[in-house]
Amino acid sequence: NAGVTQTPKFQVLKTGQSMTLQCAQDMNHNSMYWYRQDPGMGLRLIYYSASEGTTDKGEVPNGYNVSRLNKREFSLRLESAAPSQTSVYFCASSQTLTGGFGNTIYFGEGSWLTVV
Amino acid sequence: RKEVEQDPGPFNVPEGATVAFNCTYSNSASQSFFWYRQDCRKEPKLLMSVYSSGNEDGRFTAQLNRASQYISLLIRDSKLSDSATYLCVVNAQDDKIIFGKGTRLHILP
Repeated sequence: NAGVTQTPKFQVLKTGQSMTLQCAQDMNHNSMYWYRQDPGMGLRLIYYSASEGTTDKGEVPNGYNVSRLNKREFSLRLESAAPSQTSVYFCASSQTLTGGFGNTIYFGEGSWLTVV
Repeated sequence: RKEVEQDPGPFNVPEGATVAFNCTYSNSASQSFFWYRQDCRKEPKLLMSVYSSGNEDGRFTAQLNRASQYISLLIRDSKLSDSATYLCVVNAQDDKIIFGKGTRLHILP
């Protein structure tokens, strides 16, 4: 059971380089998310997609772009990486954006990104 | 007031002891509540939902207090493997899922 798969797991970038984090889910979920997690900061929402064809900014969208390629895939792009973007990135999905019990969020294993 | 607040800890607890921590939320319209667990360098995973009547899963008990707007997690007979960060999650009917920053728990041998 793959669940949420994100790649790459580890990446080192130089300042100014660009890269795309890929994410795919096989649970037929409508909603997908990108979070970053820094020590002491908890999970911070970068962008989310309530359903296929829609994307919205979260708490910390600056420096990122996203694409909801289809229902399964949601990618995160860093156009010009900065050291402040060094973090652990988690992709996640859930059946719906809002909703009640049963609307579990499932996370990928994380992508460790270092910008030097 | 932050949307979801948790004591960051760490809670250092001897093995076998009982430990409890709370999470407060600001949106009175919140309707569903969860506890997630995150191990070091791993992704968060659902631990349990928190129902209005409270619920228990083995050594874990979750409670909701709507009047005071907080949820709690109690762990009995704590094990070394319970060491983790526990994230409080709140979802209002017309709002996104909100994560707390987590409470770190260290079980000491």
